[in-house]
Amino acid sequence: AQSVAQPEDQVNVAEGNPLTVKCTYSVSGNPYLFWYVQYPNRGLQFLLKYITGDNLVKGSYGFEAEFNKSQTSFHLKKPSALVSDSALYFCAVSHSWGDSSYKLIFGSGTRLLVRP
Amino acid sequence: SQTIHQWPATLVQPVGSPLSLECTVEGTSNPNLYWYRQAAGRGLQLLFYSVGIGQISSEVPQNLSASRPQDRQFILSSKKLLLSDSGFYLCAWSVGLAGGSGETQYFGPGTRLLVL
Repeated sequence: AQSVAQPEDQVNVAEGNPLTVKCTYSVSGNPYLFWYVQYPNRGLQFLLKYITGDNLVKGSYGFEAEFNKSQTSFHLKKPSALVSDSALYFCAVSHSWGDSSYKLIFGSGTRLLVRP
Repeated sequence: SQTIHQWPATLVQPVGSPLSLECTVEGTSNPNLYWYRQAAGRGLQLLFYSVGIGQISSEVPQNLSASRPQDRQFILSSKKLLLSDSGFYLCAWSVGLAGGSGETQYFGPGTRLLVL
C-alpha cells in the first residue's frame, strides 16, 4: 500500500537559516511525490512535484526538494528561511484508483515555525 | 488561467440541519474533482472524487453525499448534519495527464463548517 510519513509534527528554525521538512514514502512502482503548503484558514497551495528525471526539484517561493530513491525520502528544503514561510506543510504521494484517475495520499503534516 | 471557488467560506449549522457546499472550477474542461475534509488543522481525508458529470465515487462511508450536476460544479451535501461533520472542507481539481500519476491537484480556499 502507498503511504507517506512526516516524522516531525513541528520544525523550528531561525530566520535566515536553512530549513528541512522531512518526508519518507512507501510505494509500489515509480513514486510521484508532491509538496503542498497551507496557511491558516486557507486551502493547500502546490509547491512542487517529482515525476521523473533530476532528483533535485525546484518549486515555488524558493523551495526545493530532493528525491532519494535509496532512502525513500523526499525532503523539502530552503536555503534561507523567512518568517512568512511559517505554515503547515504536507507531503503526498500519488496512487492509482484503477479507473484512470489518481488520488493523493497525504502525510500528517509538519508545522514550520520560523522565528525572527 | 484556472480558478476554483468554494462557498460559503464559513458556515455554522445546527445538528440535524441539511448542508450544501458548492465548488466550481473555471478555465478548464472535464476536470477530475475531489472533496476533502480536514479535521483539527491536520490530516486530509478524501471524501469523494468525480471523473465526470454524474460520476461519483466515495472513499469512506459517512453522513455526506456528493453530486456533479455540471462539468465544473461539485456539490457536497448532507440531509442531517452531525456534530462530527464539523471541519474544514476542501475542494480540489486536476486534469488527467497521459500516463496519469503525475497530475497535480489544485485546491480551493475551503469552507469551515461548525455544527452546533
